[in-house]
Amino acid sequence: GQNIDQPTEMTATEGAIVQINCTYQTSGFNGLFWYQQHAGEAPTFLSYNVLDGLEEKGRFSSFLSRSKGYSYLLLKELQMKDSASYLCAVRDSNYQLIWGAGTKLIIKP
Amino acid sequence: ETGVTQTPRHLVMGMTNKKSLKCEQHLGHNAMYWYKQSAKKPLELMFVYNFKEQTENNSVPSRFSPECPNSSHLFLHLHTLQPEDSALYLCASSPDGTSGYNEQFFGPGTRLTVL
Repeated sequence: GQNIDQPTEMTATEGAIVQINCTYQTSGFNGLFWYQQHAGEAPTFLSYNVLDGLEEKGRFSSFLSRSKGYSYLLLKELQMKDSASYLCAVRDSNYQLIWGAGTKLIIKP
Repeated sequence: ETGVTQTPRHLVMGMTNKKSLKCEQHLGHNAMYWYKQSAKKPLELMFVYNFKEQTENNSVPSRFSPECPNSSHLFLHLHTLQPEDSALYLCASSPDGTSGYNEQFFGPGTRLTVL
């Protein structure tokens, strides 16, 4: 079966750095997405990786290793507004997104 | 209106009721999706429409009936639901349903409670 694993919850301090990991086992791979979802709101796109390596976008970076079935989202200079759930999703060989259950990130002052 | 809109935002219904959820996208996309989101569970893909044709039905019970009259509108008709169907129902759209980089844009969702 297809599976996406990410931690259920993480806590970090304002101004710090946090890394959210995602491991996947899917039938085929056509890209990996990270989305942010604030409580009660729609998921919004953060990043896309299809080749190995690091993609940097401001305070957020996303890394992919296809051989290891592994990705992480790195958030720097954490702000209170970064408190949200972070969803990892992999596009499989049928071009459908397989979703993780999300990681709830709690930022403390 | 911009992006993806959904109505209603909240819905409470009895198990014998019939109701419909509406989704509209103003992005010129050709693919639209219905997802179910339950607490602490992954997003569950329910239906996919690509150029108005249904291309995916993930073994969804027949009490959920989708309708896609055109590329901008998507409906989810509900009848004789069960309490376990209570969840957040999210609509999304993307440029198309078949290319690799195909970011999905989500609506705010309808919070459904079945009594």
